[in-house]
Amino acid sequence: QKEVEQDPGPLSVPEGAIVSLNCTYSNSAFQYFMWYRQYSRKGPELLMYTYSSGNKEDGRFTAQVDKSSKYISLFIRDSQPSDSATYLCAMSVQPWSGGYQKVTFGTGTKLQVIP
Amino acid sequence: EAGVAQSPRYKIIEKRQSVAFWCNPISGHATLYWYQQILGQGPKLLIQFQNNGVVDDSQLPKDRFSAERLKGVDSTLKIQPAKLEDSAVYLCASSLDGRNTEAFFGQGTRLTVV
Repeated sequence: QKEVEQDPGPLSVPEGAIVSLNCTYSNSAFQYFMWYRQYSRKGPELLMYTYSSGNKEDGRFTAQVDKSSKYISLFIRDSQPSDSATYLCAMSVQPWSGGYQKVTFGTGTKLQVIP
Repeated sequence: EAGVAQSPRYKIIEKRQSVAFWCNPISGHATLYWYQQILGQGPKLLIQFQNNGVVDDSQLPKDRFSAERLKGVDSTLKIQPAKLEDSAVYLCASSLDGRNTEAFFGQGTRLTVV
């Protein structure tokens, strides 16, 4: 079983729709949860960063973490064609003193928002 | 602020040949990462440097891959000899330090081994 599972899609939605992207994980030690956006032929860029359980909102984006279910989500409201990209979830264990983060990525979900 | 620079953008080589990739991180960033991203997969960490020291190379195939970061700034990743399964995008990223700070990625080098 992979440490992080993510549906690769592709996911195709009409402009203005609410998009839900999800990941599940098996390592209960994960404490930091991230969503990256990767446009075609570009490197990933950090969208959202959350620590432990709960919700975090940033504009049209909401990240949700449910540690009891080992499940994280990214919601995109009022989706735009410019949101068309691959969305990667990523997570890491809280580092102890002297340690460094090791980030584990999901496979990414390809999203297409149709005008 | 200039981003992470990588070169070349694309490279096509035959199997058993050697290849090298170059990365210039964001100025002042102590931590540098090399990731391998195979088509349809998420990035996989190959090696992580803190300044010019290696802090994690557990997933680097050391029989064919090598990396160095001289003077704690630029880095090169080398593959010798290349195999067909090395075809991937090689991403370089950097962060201020390795502890809970955002990593910034370059555009990557797309390697095709034929």
